[in-house]
Parts: sequence; C-alpha cells; structure tokens
Amino acid sequence: GQNIDQPTEMTATEGAIVQINCTYQTSGFNGLFWYQQHAGEAPTFLSYNVLDGLEEKGRFSSFLSRSKGYSYLLLKELQMKDSASYLCAVSDYNTNAGKSTFGDGTTLTVKP
Amino acid sequence: EAQVTQNPRYLITVTGKKLTVTCSQNMNHEYMSWYRQDPGLGLRQIYYSMNVEVTDKGDVPEGYKVSRKEKRNFPLILESPSPNQTSLYFCASSFVGQETQYFGPGTRLLVL
Repeated sequence: GQNIDQPTEMTATEGAIVQINCTYQTSGFNGLFWYQQHAGEAPTFLSYNVLDGLEEKGRFSSFLSRSKGYSYLLLKELQMKDSASYLCAVSDYNTNAGKSTFGDGTTLTVKP
Repeated sequence: EAQVTQNPRYLITVTGKKLTVTCSQNMNHEYMSWYRQDPGLGLRQIYYSMNVEVTDKGDVPEGYKVSRKEKRNFPLILESPSPNQTSLYFCASSFVGQETQYFGPGTRLLVL
C-alpha cells in the first residue's frame, strides 16, 4: 500500500518562498506528482517527478529523492492567488496498473 | 476544447435511491478514474479503468460500481446510496503512461 504524509497547513507572506514537504512509503512507485486545488474546484496538475532531482517550471519547482521517499514543492515569489491546497500524490501505474494515492493536502495561506 | 465533464454537478438524494454520476472525456484517454474527497482529506480513489471493459478497485470501492463500455465514458453508479457517501466526487482521465490527470469539475452529492 501507500502512505503519504504532508503538513496540514502552512502560512507564508506575499513575495516570499515556501517549501511544502511530502514523504511517502510505497509498495510500488512510478512517479510522484503535485496538484493545486483551490477551494471548491478541481485539482490542477503542477508537476511530475519520476527521477531524482529538481524539476523547475516558472515559479514552481519540485524535487524528488526516491531513496529517501521524499519530495518537496517550492513556490517562489508568492502571490495571493497561490493560496490553495497542494496535494502530493504517488502513482504505481505499473505495479498496480493504475492506482493513484493522494496525501491529505497542505493548505497554504498567503498573507499580504 | 479538451475537457472532462461530469453530470450532475450537484445532487441531493435519499438513502437507497439508485443514482448514476456520468463522466465523459473528449481527449481519447485510455485511463479514467473516480475519486471522492471529504473535508480535510485528500482524494481517495474509488475505481479506475485502464481501457474499455477494464476496471479495477481503488482504495474505497465499497458501495460503488462502474462500467467502461465506451472509451469516452466512465459512469459511477451508487446502487443504494447511504449518508456516508455524501461527498465531493471527481472524475479524471489521462493517457496510460502519462501521469498528468485531467479532472472534471466535481459532483457534490448529499445523501439524506
């Protein structure tokens, strides 16, 4: 099975940098991804890591260490619109042919 | 426009009255999945399908049924809904082997 842990809540200031951590314990692994979800809306894809290292996409970066079962999402130059829930998820597409397990999400509040 | 659609978006029903939530995608995706989301929790996978006529259980399949007779449609069936199935439901789709899942807008279900 899969077990995914991420902080429940975080607060940061507009213009700052925030790092949201995610640890996982899995029986199978075929990639880790991050989604952003605003209240009452559908999740939207942010990033995907299958190999160790850092993936950068504009203000958002995601890091993966498979040996440590650890990932983080880095948000730079925070904006008020970044206030949302951030979901870490692990896929074991190959092992279990399509299972995806999500963490409970980290609610980020960006303050002026 | 590439999208995943769900109907209805909101539904209030009573215990035991069978209902179906439809999900349709126009991106020719092989993979489709249903999730439920409850307050303070992440997404929990109910069922998924790797292709037509291929379905499998996720983490919380009890009380739900699905079918995949056509590639574009993946309805979620609640044969005898109970109050503990009150939740926000999301349908998602992707190409097999691609981790980016596209989510529908969600269906908010209340079972009285």
